[in-house]
Amino acid sequence: DAGVIQSPRHEVTEMGQEVTLRCKPISGHDYLFWYRQTMMRGLELLIYFNNNVPIDDSGMPEDRFSAKMPNASFSTLKIQPSEPRDSAVYFCASSLLRSYNEQFFGPGTRLTVL
Amino acid sequence: AQKVTQAQTEISVVEKEDVTLDCVYETRDTTYYLFWYKQPPSGELVFLIRRNSFDEQNEISGRYSWNFQKSTSSFNFTITASQVVDSAVYFCALSEDAGGSTLGRLYFGRGTQLTVWP
Repeated sequence: DAGVIQSPRHEVTEMGQEVTLRCKPISGHDYLFWYRQTMMRGLELLIYFNNNVPIDDSGMPEDRFSAKMPNASFSTLKIQPSEPRDSAVYFCASSLLRSYNEQFFGPGTRLTVL
Repeated sequence: AQKVTQAQTEISVVEKEDVTLDCVYETRDTTYYLFWYKQPPSGELVFLIRRNSFDEQNEISGRYSWNFQKSTSSFNFTITASQVVDSAVYFCALSEDAGGSTLGRLYFGRGTQLTVWP
């Protein structure tokens, strides 16, 4: 079975540009999570969805960040405009309610904002 | 206050040594779930184990073992006869019972960097 798929794996952009990160969860999973990992702050939960509906977005840093899940097999995390401090590795994870939050992570997108 | 504390930032051992990674958690829920994840140099987070709060039985999987003690709110991870391939960052995490038919979020510790030297 395919795991969580994220694209792109690496993204280098200039400050002020729009960045879109993509995630395809494991088929059949009903929860999707977006995390950000930096040396300074560790792993931070940004937002998570249940059956395509956002449940908790309190971790989204500011209005420049937005996330959508138009269907059960696709989610995006958008940063507009991007800033150097957004440089991080962004992970997507998915899970099943009945698995008690055992989350499966994608390979991550390494974002560098110059 | 952090819900999951991994006091050891870095640990270095020589191959074949045993090593224990500490994890202390904080929650007021009676139902909760504890996890360990491994992040090798390749960067991907790999699930290792889940433990339910109502099951304090320790678990062993090959060279890995986990000691869950509710009395001290600890969920420690021991690698026996460590190998170079065990070198990674290890994360402990907590999920509280959100109630009903929903999942709560995962709270991660800051991780412990384990380096196993040949």
